[in-house]
Amino acid sequence: QIQLVQSGPELKKPGESVKISCKASGYTFTDYAMHWVKQAPGKGLKWMGWINTYTGKPTYAADFKGRFVFSLEASASTANLQISNLKNEDTATYFCARIYYYSSFVMDAWGQGASVTVSS
Amino acid sequence: EIVLTQSPTTMAASPGEKVTLTCRASSSVSYMHWYQQKSGASPKLWIYDTSHRTSGVPNRFSGSGSGTSYSLTISSMETEDAATYYCQQWNSNPLTFGSGTKLEIK
Repeated sequence: QIQLVQSGPELKKPGESVKISCKASGYTFTDYAMHWVKQAPGKGLKWMGWINTYTGKPTYAADFKGRFVFSLEASASTANLQISNLKNEDTATYFCARIYYYSSFVMDAWGQGASVTVSS
Repeated sequence: EIVLTQSPTTMAASPGEKVTLTCRASSSVSYMHWYQQKSGASPKLWIYDTSHRTSGVPNRFSGSGSGTSYSLTISSMETEDAATYYCQQWNSNPLTFGSGTKLEIK
């Protein structure tokens, strides 16, 4: 079955960097794009952007340009999210989600989420 | 950017009660999708392309709508339906989510 398994919780200080991984299994990794979604504590879902898993080209939502980098280890069926120069407001759970096309694009499989806490 | 406004923000329903959640888009979209998220869990695709239930979703759930107005309806509320429901569109960039409706059991 389709699974997205994310890396574990992280506790970081402001200014540090963090890398979150998302390992896919149960399907051909390069056939489906991967999206990233942020959920701050007690808040809703915010789309961060996506990466084309075939070409490696990332696309970032406006609020996530600059300190955020999407990357791949395609041979390992893994997508990564790196956040540099961490700020308190980066404290959140970050989800990876596979995109699937019916008549429109939807996120049909989600990782379990990776918690990042930024605190001095 | 298409803004999705969900209402109500929070509601409580009794077992057996009919529930309707609404999602209004700031511009017309072709399809709306809905996700269910329970506390501490990742979201699950619940209804896609406005009216199609994902495999395993009980048939008491239905989706409808067009243009700028969409809804998710539960014909008869059950305890397990307590969750937050988000609508989502990608008719145009950027992909956006509604702010969610938290549905509680009364």
